[in-house]
Amino acid sequence: EAGVAQSPRYKIIEKRQSVAFWCNPISGHATLYWYQQILGQGPKLLIQFQNNGVVDDSQLPKDRFSAERLKGVDSTLKIQPAKLEDSAVYLCASSRGQFYGYTFGSGTRLTVV
Amino acid sequence: KQEVTQIPAALSVPEGENLVLNCSFTDSAIYNLQWFRQDPGKGLTSLLLIQSSQREQTSGRLNASLDKSSGRSTLYIAASQPGDSATYLCAVRRNSGYALNFGKGTSLLVTP
Repeated sequence: EAGVAQSPRYKIIEKRQSVAFWCNPISGHATLYWYQQILGQGPKLLIQFQNNGVVDDSQLPKDRFSAERLKGVDSTLKIQPAKLEDSAVYLCASSRGQFYGYTFGSGTRLTVV
Repeated sequence: KQEVTQIPAALSVPEGENLVLNCSFTDSAIYNLQWFRQDPGKGLTSLLLIQSSQREQTSGRLNASLDKSSGRSTLYIAASQPGDSATYLCAVRRNSGYALNFGKGTSLLVTP
């Protein structure tokens, strides 16, 4: 099966600019996750979708971050305006269900200057 | 809140050695635990998934064990190779509705 697709792979922006990331999960995977991984840290959950509904967004900085999942398939994560501390790798993952493991995409490396 | 700790943070071993990576978690009421590998600049690759009812899982030279009551998991790598050099991440799922909670990882270097 095809993996989790993410784009772009890299992005460099200036602080206060906006940026958007895209994720296409594995076909048939109902659950989709966005994680933020800062250098030297483990991934931290930003938001979890079940189909097109939000299950958990408790750690999403909602004043600047937003996410949506279109028709329960693709998802976009947006940051507006970006801060220096948003520099990280943004990872998308999907899962068939709670009994199954995760499959991660290659991630988007964001650098805010 | 579930805290996941991985020890050691970094490890360097000569090729051919067997090694153990440790993961501990504070809340033993977990649904499952997953070990991942991350190569520099890459995403995460799933290695092993252990359900809460299982004690261990094996894949090739890798063996992961789970002791829920003590809040521990170990990843055993047999006959290490330079290609095993990567960061290994442990993650636990608190219950069926929740996402994985990750440790900071162990950075492994296997020298020829």
